Amino acid sequence: QQQVKQSPQSLIVQKGGISIINCAYENTAFDYFPWYQQFPGKGPALLIAIRPDVSEKKEGRFTISFNKSAKQFSLHIMDSQPGDSATYFCAASNLQGAQKLVFGQGTRLTINP
Amino acid sequence: GAVVSQHPSWVICKSGTSVKIECRSLDFQATTMFWYRQFPKQSLMLMATSNEGSKATYEQGVEKDKFLINHASLTLSTLTVTSAHPEDSSFYICSATGNDRGVYEQYFGPGTRLTVT
Repeated sequence: QQQVKQSPQSLIVQKGGISIINCAYENTAFDYFPWYQQFPGKGPALLIAIRPDVSEKKEGRFTISFNKSAKQFSLHIMDSQPGDSATYFCAASNLQGAQKLVFGQGTRLTINP
Repeated sequence: GAVVSQHPSWVICKSGTSVKIECRSLDFQATTMFWYRQFPKQSLMLMATSNEGSKATYEQGVEKDKFLINHASLTLSTLTVTSAHPEDSSFYICSATGNDRGVYEQYFGPGTRLTVT
């Protein structure tokens, strides 16, 4: 019940296209859903996060869509650029509890120029 | 804001020795710090959670006597890998979160690459 399932494992998108990464969770106590971007040899960097009281959050080219009833959320990267090539992790936590992040398995995104 | 640093960024040690990794929150008070390890092409695995001034809480399967965690202040946590062995070689990453200025997001350090020979 603590798992967060992420797909796809890898993704190749042409420059200018839309990259979509999906995550699903089971624990209804989760109330915080961040996305992290990680480059090789670096720590993860917080990209964007959403709380379950909204269905969508947009920051620049990055959008989170959240479906509470389906227990799914996704990251959309619009106008994908080669610099977006990285590994992306979704995560979930319960801010009212231990605040431990449960990570998805990661998606290796490659943007072809 | 919300910067977390780690030191060292990489370390090589001989089997049987101990290594200490520092994690610092530079511009906020970290009431809670987390330690993760990450193997190549894998996700982050939480090792332990530490709150300032109290003992760390370890995840199932993590040896607390091998991975010593100290959170002595609101800006510093340390992870000591004792009697390191080659299988302890990994990428160790800390993160910090705090109630200061509503910082409940986890901000991650740049990671420490440990190689045990």
